[in-house]
Amino acid sequence: DAKTTQPNSMESNEEEPVHLPCNHSTISGTDYIHWYRQLPSQGPEYVIHGLTSNVNNRMASLAIAEDRKSSTLILHRATLRDAAVYYCILRDVGNSGYALNFGKGTSLLVTP
Amino acid sequence: DVKVTQSSRYLVKRTGEKVFLECVQDMDHENMFWYRQDPGLGLRLIYFSYDVKMKEKGDIPEGYSVSREKKERFSLILESASTNQTSMYLCASSLPYGTGGSSDTQYFGPGTRLTVL
Repeated sequence: DAKTTQPNSMESNEEEPVHLPCNHSTISGTDYIHWYRQLPSQGPEYVIHGLTSNVNNRMASLAIAEDRKSSTLILHRATLRDAAVYYCILRDVGNSGYALNFGKGTSLLVTP
Repeated sequence: DVKVTQSSRYLVKRTGEKVFLECVQDMDHENMFWYRQDPGLGLRLIYFSYDVKMKEKGDIPEGYSVSREKKERFSLILESASTNQTSMYLCASSLPYGTGGSSDTQYFGPGTRLTVL
């Protein structure tokens, strides 16, 4: 899998929007961008994924740069329950192993 | 919603014991996975199964075996537990791999924190 780079940690105030960046300058044309998060003492949880176009779901939005070398996960109104480690993962099933490469992720702190 | 359940949240065993970790998914997924998660090392794949009775080794299979007799159930077995197997164990499931989009989404259980004394 191509490599991703994320900040180690970010902080947000409750009910504010949060933009979590991910750089993936070596992304290939067939790599999908997946985001997962892991709340304290729980297993990872799928958040969203995309290929080229921006994506929205009930949890978050994914904004993908035109050149696909970076993407941003957007939480529109952070809550205390959103405090977690967020992982940006590239997946090209044709060339990847079965495991998800979680890396270190970004630890999001949400303060009241 | 996909549900993946694991038999225990916390488990304490002694060195040399045989340990069984059970995982059940209710979404008829073909693929099932066992990972372990350790601080500073992230998640590492132990074993993967793509069908009943089928398995493939992941990155760190030594000291572990698996069993998949039914589609919904995937068991991880520590034949003789050792202290270096103290870890968080995570089970996941997914659809068969397709284009790398939705079919590649893995759904995780809550994890079992195993301590081997």
